[in-house]
Amino acid sequence: GAVVSQHPSRVICKSGTSVKIECRSLDFQATTMFWYRQFPKQSLMLMATSNEGSKATYEQGVEKDKFLINHASLTLSTLTVTSAHPEDSSFYICSAGGHYRAGYTFGSGTRLTVV
Amino acid sequence: DAKTTQPNSMESNEEEPVHLPCNHSTISGTDYIHWYRQLPSQGPEYVIHGLTSNVNNRMASLAIAEDRKSSTLILHRATLRDAAVYYCILETTSGTYKYIFGTGTRLKVLA
Repeated sequence: GAVVSQHPSRVICKSGTSVKIECRSLDFQATTMFWYRQFPKQSLMLMATSNEGSKATYEQGVEKDKFLINHASLTLSTLTVTSAHPEDSSFYICSAGGHYRAGYTFGSGTRLTVV
Repeated sequence: DAKTTQPNSMESNEEEPVHLPCNHSTISGTDYIHWYRQLPSQGPEYVIHGLTSNVNNRMASLAIAEDRKSSTLILHRATLRDAAVYYCILETTSGTYKYIFGTGTRLKVLA
């Protein structure tokens, strides 16, 4: 089945630094990937849609300059949290789907802690 | 975006069937209904999806109302490993087919 790998699974960074999270589709090509953020005890909130070879589409209220998304190949999308602050601490999850209407596969998530 | 409404939490005894309801009264004619579940500190896991007819797979069954304004995920025999948050999602037909998650139902399975 479709596998999505997310790396790292956990990261701790200092306030003011940037952190990059990778999302890879291992056995299929994904022209579209999605990035979500999830705070404790809350549901997933869609942040942006990552489109291969073009600019990402951000949801309302998500700062595009703070959450940089790059989707340079059909199997890799990256999310960079720039100038991270403690309030950016969260669980970040990506998803991708290779087949129309067959559902999306989610990565295992990245726990970001900004200290 | 089409929205879903689910109870915040439910409990079930182990080995008994569980029926998890979802209301989606604003569903459009071509929206698919997807169910995912999420264990703590993990990404959501696909459970089942359907359009109009009831669906069965090795994990669960999906019963879709005739007017498609509601659906029910059925776990035939709940186990402790089924304890998770279950999300009912409508796959929107606009643009990129993105998923918008509702609050989900936290299922507790009692031994």
